[in-house]
This record gives sequence, C-alpha cells and structure tokens, in this order.
Amino acid sequence: DADVTQTPRNRITKTGKRIMLECSQTKGHDRMYWYRQDPGLGLRLIYYSFDVKDINKGEISDGYSVSRQAQAKFSLSLESAIPNQTALYFCATSDLEQGVGNEQFFGPGTRLTVL
Amino acid sequence: GQNIDQPTEMTATEGAIVQINCTYQTSGFNGLFWYQQHAGEAPTFLSYNVLDGLEEKGRFSSFLSRSKGYSYLLLKELQMKDSASYLCAVRDRTSNYQLIWGAGTKLIIKP
Repeated sequence: DADVTQTPRNRITKTGKRIMLECSQTKGHDRMYWYRQDPGLGLRLIYYSFDVKDINKGEISDGYSVSRQAQAKFSLSLESAIPNQTALYFCATSDLEQGVGNEQFFGPGTRLTVL
Repeated sequence: GQNIDQPTEMTATEGAIVQINCTYQTSGFNGLFWYQQHAGEAPTFLSYNVLDGLEEKGRFSSFLSRSKGYSYLLLKELQMKDSASYLCAVRDRTSNYQLIWGAGTKLIIKP
C-alpha cells in the first residue's frame, strides 16, 4: 500500500466550481505540504503544515485554502476554480527534525484541469 | 533573491556517465536535495548534501560546493530507466526551512 495517497487522481472541472483535493499518509509524519507543478517551472509550494494546529502559506497560496483534519490528512481546496489553476498537484510529507536530511515523500499527484 | 538554475534538457548514451549541474542563490542555505521524477509520476528522493564534498550512493553521486553555490548529480553506467527529470532543491532557513525547487533537467538516454 502507498504511504501517501491522493484523491482524485484526475479531475476536470469548470471555472467557478469548488474543488477539494485530498491527501492521506500512513508514514506518521508531522509535516505535510501541497505543491503544484507546471511545465517548465519548478514545484511551487502552496501551503504547508507542521502539525494539526499549524498551517502556513507558501509561495502561491492565493486562490487556495487548506484543512489539516488530522495528523494523517491534509486537504487542499480551490474555492472558485479558474483555468490558470490547471496543473499537477502533489501532496508531500516529511519528518519533524530539521537537523538531518528529512526528505519529502510525495503522493502520486492529482491532475486538475479547469475549463 | 532566491534562484536555482539547471539545464532544461540533456541527452546521454546508455552505459555512459552524465553530470547534471545545479547552481543556486539563497539567503540561508540549509541543505540541497536531488530528486528523480519520471514523466507523470511523483518525485522520489535521490540524495542530500549539506556539507561540501561528494556523497556516493551506488550509481548516483552528488557533489556540493557551498562557497560556489554549486552542486552536481553524477549518474554512472546509465540505463534506459534513468530517462527522467532530475530536480534540484535547496532548503532555505529564511523561508522557514522550506524547499526552493529548480525547474528540473530532463535527461534523455539513447541506446
């Protein structure tokens, strides 16, 4: 079973619709992240959470909101989707300590298309 | 400001060696990561450098020079399955220890 799962894997929606992307993890990590990936650009951080009570905006949070329902679950919402939010969205997790590598583990991604 | 540069695309031959470079500018360097990403799939961790020097892990090695703001990923004995994008990312203290990502280098392996 995958350690980090995302649902849905693909979604096509229309401009103005509300969309929720969900992420669950069984790694027991405290930290969770939402990124988007666009062709020719690096991964860009949307929001991140250090624990259930700690949510932080990333580089491109406008137009997005998040909810950390439990240590294992972190959801991303687009309140009113627009075409330039068409992208590949990744959820990731990492362990708590800063002093070591603490690589991030990624989910399989959600391909979102906004028409 | 913060910036990470990598070549957009490279081509190499099966069985050969390839070096993928990454240069960075950050205010609070706190480690550099390399990830591999096959088309349409999730990035997967390859290596981590925080001190100057070479880290070797099987066919893959990663080098860091903090004074030059430079890293490279060395792939030896290339296999067709190494065709993928290679992402360089820097952890930055001034960004709450979040990762700043390069756009990735697409590596094409030819027989």
